Amino acid sequence: AQSVAQPEDQVNVAEGNPLTVKCTYSVSGNPYLFWYVQYPNRGLQFLLKYITGDNLVKGSYGFEAEFNKSQTSFHLKKPSALVSDSALYFCAVRAWGNEKLTFGTGTRLTIIP
Amino acid sequence: DVKVTQSSRYLVKRTGEKVFLECVQDMDHENMFWYRQDPGLGLRLIYFSYDVKMKEKGDIPEGYSVSREKKERFSLILESASTNQTSMYLCASSSLGRGVLSGANVLTFGAGSRLTVL
Repeated sequence: AQSVAQPEDQVNVAEGNPLTVKCTYSVSGNPYLFWYVQYPNRGLQFLLKYITGDNLVKGSYGFEAEFNKSQTSFHLKKPSALVSDSALYFCAVRAWGNEKLTFGTGTRLTIIP
Repeated sequence: DVKVTQSSRYLVKRTGEKVFLECVQDMDHENMFWYRQDPGLGLRLIYFSYDVKMKEKGDIPEGYSVSREKKERFSLILESASTNQTSMYLCASSSLGRGVLSGANVLTFGAGSRLTVL
């Protein structure tokens, strides 16, 4: 079975400060890892993914994520937060060869002006 | 742009009614998915399909069925709606990965269908 944990329901960050949204995963074998974002009244949008190779993955809107195999983590980061980054963020995992994608419970990120 | 279109944005139904949620994608994707989204529970997979007339149960299939008669269309059916099926329903599609990239493909989501069962 595969699973994702997002330990924080809510993260508040001041505008201009760095942000981190945490994600840990459990999967048999090698993982594919994803971050999606949901802005108010909109569908989920893809941000970035890790397949293999470099542990630091860069994605849309200045976001990046670091894959850490020993800690089974894939935390989302951004060096300087914008108010427009306020949204609901979901981490997701898929095992190699498996088409089923499992999501975490989501983290609401609020950037305070 | 890849488009996944869900036919109804908002629906209100009564307990016991049969409900159809329709989803159409225009990118010739093999895979299609139905998730429900609930606060504090995230997205949970109901059913998915990797080919016409094929379906696989997800994590919470009870009370739901699906139909995929054409590649571009994937329908979610609630045979007898209940109040605990009040939720946001999200349809998604992706292409089928090949070989070592199997499973690496990104899901494209529709805007969602918010169902209220009274």
